Amino acid sequence: DAGVTQSPTHLIKTRGQHVTLRCSPISGHKSVSWYQQVLGQGPQFIFQYYEKEERGRGNFPDRFSARQFPNYSSELNVNALLLGDSALYLCASDRGSETQYFGPGTRLLVL
Amino acid sequence: AQSVTQLGSHVSVSEGALVLLRCNYSSSVPPYLFWYVQYPNQGLQLLLKYTSAATLVKGINGFEAEFKKSETSFHLTKPSAHMSDAAEYFCAVPFYTGRRALTFGSGTRLQVQP
Repeated sequence: DAGVTQSPTHLIKTRGQHVTLRCSPISGHKSVSWYQQVLGQGPQFIFQYYEKEERGRGNFPDRFSARQFPNYSSELNVNALLLGDSALYLCASDRGSETQYFGPGTRLLVL
Repeated sequence: AQSVTQLGSHVSVSEGALVLLRCNYSSSVPPYLFWYVQYPNQGLQLLLKYTSAATLVKGINGFEAEFKKSETSFHLTKPSAHMSDAAEYFCAVPFYTGRRALTFGSGTRLQVQP
């Protein structure tokens, strides 16, 4: 089975712009979580969606939003980008159990 | 909220030597504990998980971890390091009891010297 896929792999934006990151979960997984990993740190939890409903949110500003589609894929949107939003954004999926499986991430650079 | 602390941001060992990476969890006993590995420019790969069924957990690539309630620890070990073990290792625990989203430690970078 294919693992979690994310697109794009890399992108460069400028301050104030908007970005959309995409994630496709492992087939059969209905839950998707998003994490931000700043260079040199551990991943920080942003959102979790299950069956298209938000089930959890980390300590991130309202500039960050997400949604989950009927096919369980997900988008993470970030508005009004700041330099500090530069990071690796990781998506993870699970089938409603305790184990999350991670994608390769999208590396965002904000200039 | 649960949390984990990883002692030592960098650990260097010789090839063939014992690997010991430290992780301590916050005072309340978590239902699950995880170790993930991250190779350069890649996502996270699950090494092993603790689910209270057994205190000694065996994972992939020869790694294992022992849950010690008395020490609030879940240290990761491997008897003999290989060059391919060089990576960043993260300990993680559920964000809140009953939730699946994870909170991670700050990570330990393992270097393996020839």
